[in-house]
Amino acid sequence: EDQVTQSPEALRLQEGESSSLNCSYTVSGLRGLFWYRQDPGKGPEFLFTLYSAGEEKEKERLKATLTKKESFLHITAPKPEDSATYLCAVQVDAGNMLTFGGGTRLMVKP
Amino acid sequence: GAGVSQSPSNKVTEKGKDVELRCDPISGHTALYWYRQRLGQGLEFLIYFQGNSAPDKSGLPSDRFSAERTGESVSTLTIQRTQQEDSAVYLCASSLEAGIFGNTIYFGEGSWLTVV
Repeated sequence: EDQVTQSPEALRLQEGESSSLNCSYTVSGLRGLFWYRQDPGKGPEFLFTLYSAGEEKEKERLKATLTKKESFLHITAPKPEDSATYLCAVQVDAGNMLTFGGGTRLMVKP
Repeated sequence: GAGVSQSPSNKVTEKGKDVELRCDPISGHTALYWYRQRLGQGLEFLIYFQGNSAPDKSGLPSDRFSAERTGESVSTLTIQRTQQEDSAVYLCASSLEAGIFGNTIYFGEGSWLTVV
């Protein structure tokens, strides 16, 4: 069974304090790993897709990386507006839907 | 439209009543997904449609749940005889084509269902 685990469940940072969120996965044939941001009361907003180990993608203060077992979302010098829940999901060769992790709730204090 | 559109945005219903939730995917998107998100929890896959192929219903939690899609357009998720545990946000998503390398799956804002 495909499994996606995100850690930590919650993370409190001071503005400017860089950190990383982890997404570990156990799947049979990874097609893609997706990162989304979800604000309270909103639908998930697409951030990145990673397809192969060693791949990296960046957007503003966010950088996503992928290995054969996990992905990291690095947040550099975060701002309060980065506060949200970050969701990781995998898409596998045998299916088309996304399987999501439980998310990491990030709170950045000014 | 510019994005995935869902209606109603909020619905309060009495236990035992039926509800219908609607999703308008992004124009041209052939794949459509329904997910459920309970308060404070992750997203659970319910069903997906790809063009005119038979839908993948493997995530539907019970036979009270059903969904339809007309061609490559609007989809309706129906919950019959609602129960309190059905209270959740129901999220719809669409993509150009399911399973194709490089596609991106976009979500709507969700329909918040409260069963009282």
